[in-house]
Amino acid sequence: QKEVEQNSGPLSVPEGAIASLNCTYSDRGSQSFFWYRQYSGKSPELIMFIYSNGDKEDGRFTAQLNKASQYVSLLIRDSQPSDSATYLCAAAAGNKLTFGGGTRVLVKP
Amino acid sequence: DTGVSQDPRHKITKRGQNVTFRCDPISEHNRLYWYRQTLGQGPEFLTYFQNEAQLEKSRLLSDRFSAERPKGSFSTLEIQRTEQGDSAMYLCASSPTNGELFFGEGSRLTVL
Repeated sequence: QKEVEQNSGPLSVPEGAIASLNCTYSDRGSQSFFWYRQYSGKSPELIMFIYSNGDKEDGRFTAQLNKASQYVSLLIRDSQPSDSATYLCAAAAGNKLTFGGGTRVLVKP
Repeated sequence: DTGVSQDPRHKITKRGQNVTFRCDPISEHNRLYWYRQTLGQGPEFLTYFQNEAQLEKSRLLSDRFSAERPKGSFSTLEIQRTEQGDSAMYLCASSPTNGELFFGEGSRLTVL
């Protein structure tokens, strides 16, 4: 079992709709969780992070964390074609940040 | 440009040769990470430095891999006796805090 699991996709979303991405993690010692976006051929860039159970909103993005269920999600509202990318979930335990395999999102005009 | 820089961006080598990659982090970041990424996969943790101290190293990392960060500034990642399975993108990232990584453009290694 991988430490951080994501559905590889692709997740196809119409422009303007909500994209919902899910992530589960196995290490209960994980303290904080991160969502990175990676465009094809580029390096990952940080979108947002979450430490506490519940929701955290940043612009069109909302991260949700449920530590009891070891579950993290990312919602992208009003999806745009420029949101088409791979979204990487990552969990931090101690000094180590472990990434999932990523979910590819395709936003269709 | 004050971002993370990596050199070289591309390296093609023959099996058995040694290669070295360099990473210059954002100057005020004391944390530095090396990751490896293959096509369709997420970045795989290799090693972590805080200042000049290498505090964590992946158990998956064979003895052929070594990393240094002299004086807590730039870092090098050396792969000895390269194998075809080493072909990947090697990503360096620096961080002001745990988890907020700023990645460089990566060094792509192809082992023939």
